[in-house]
Amino acid sequence: AQKVTQAQTEISVVEKEDVTLDCVYETRDTTYYLFWYKQPPSGELVFLIRRNSFDEQNEISGRYSWNFQKSTSSFNFTITASQVVDSAVYFCALTPGVGAGKSTFGDGTTLTVKP
Amino acid sequence: EPEVTQTPSHQVTQMGQEVILRCVPISNHLYFYWYRQILGQKVEFLVSFYNNEISEKSEIFDDQFSVERPDGSNFTLKIRSTKLEDSAMYFCASSLGLGEYNEQFFGPGTRLTVL
Repeated sequence: AQKVTQAQTEISVVEKEDVTLDCVYETRDTTYYLFWYKQPPSGELVFLIRRNSFDEQNEISGRYSWNFQKSTSSFNFTITASQVVDSAVYFCALTPGVGAGKSTFGDGTTLTVKP
Repeated sequence: EPEVTQTPSHQVTQMGQEVILRCVPISNHLYFYWYRQILGQKVEFLVSFYNNEISEKSEIFDDQFSVERPDGSNFTLKIRSTKLEDSAMYFCASSLGLGEYNEQFFGPGTRLTVL
């Protein structure tokens, strides 16, 4: 069985602060994919990043960075110099890499960035 | 980049009415999925579909739900007699297939409001 835990329900920061959103996952699969999605108030899921289980390289994209550590089953997401437009719900998700299995989402973290 | 599309973006219906939510998966994908997100909650798996039949379904996917691939491009979710608690965002997803090709791509969602 798969499980994704986002322990932080809500985070509030002031603009320009750095913020890290935690994601811990459980799976018995050796091959899997991890995702982060942003969900603005309009409701759509905006894809941010996918990472496969064989690629532990950390990634940076502009103000966003991701730290994938298989040893601790974590895939954390950091926003540097946060902006008001970053305010949204962020979901971490896990998909098996073998078979046509379903994606499992975390409960989401609501990020509020105040001016 | 190819994308999954969904129509309509917002559907309003009366309780007891039938609704059909439509999705156009990425053209060469073979596996199709529906997920649901009740307002303020996480994204939950409903059903997966492959080779013209359901491959897995959750306990949410009861007899009032059905899925169909009526032609070579569309993938539909039908709710036969809507209830107030069916109000949610419904996301369609598709994937190419097995193994390393099991990455799921999500559509923008349909917001269903049952009055």
